[in-house]
Amino acid sequence: GIQVEQSPPDLILQEGANSTLRCNFSDSVNNLQWFHQNPWGQLINLFYIPSGTKQNGRLSATTVATERYSLLYISSSQTTDSGVYFCAVFSGSARQLTFGSGTQLTVLP
Amino acid sequence: ETGVTQSPTHLIKTRGQQVTLRCSSQSGHNTVSWYQQALGQGPQFIFQYYREEENGRGNFPPRFSGLQFPNYSSELNVNALELDDSALYLCASSPGPTIQYFGAGTRLSVL
Repeated sequence: GIQVEQSPPDLILQEGANSTLRCNFSDSVNNLQWFHQNPWGQLINLFYIPSGTKQNGRLSATTVATERYSLLYISSSQTTDSGVYFCAVFSGSARQLTFGSGTQLTVLP
Repeated sequence: ETGVTQSPTHLIKTRGQQVTLRCSSQSGHNTVSWYQQALGQGPQFIFQYYREEENGRGNFPPRFSGLQFPNYSSELNVNALELDDSALYLCASSPGPTIQYFGAGTRLSVL
């Protein structure tokens, strides 16, 4: 099956800093989603982005499907951005999202 | 707020018992998927239901079973609980084979 790798595994920032999270995948994808998992376990949809670039406030994402990677940018980070960020993909005829192992982001005040 | 609700939020069981977890899908969504998330890992796909039929299954044993009802709500049943079944169980609904919306999960502890 498809492999999804995220980097870095852990990231610690000062409030106000910018960051880039990366997601590499091993095969072509039909769907790619970025999620933020809050401390209570809720997976919050950030982007549905199988290709191209999208922006939502301080967050933006770019997926280059031909090169099999996606990037999540967080600008002017806030303490509320802390949590785990997951990338997940659908590939081929698969019925499920395959998740990466996540990036644990900690934003310090 | 995704419109996907799960119950209960927390559950404690002992090894060998059986458990039923419930999920109410977002209105208009006919597909529901279940995932297991162990501590420190990404969610792993258990199975998916589409219009009350199982539509795909991950690498989980048969003691993990499910149901989808005509109103598209769903249940996950786990028999003969093992210690390794302790995890966060997530339900996701979708209007089709694309974007999925997740509930807040049920945290199961098996003692």
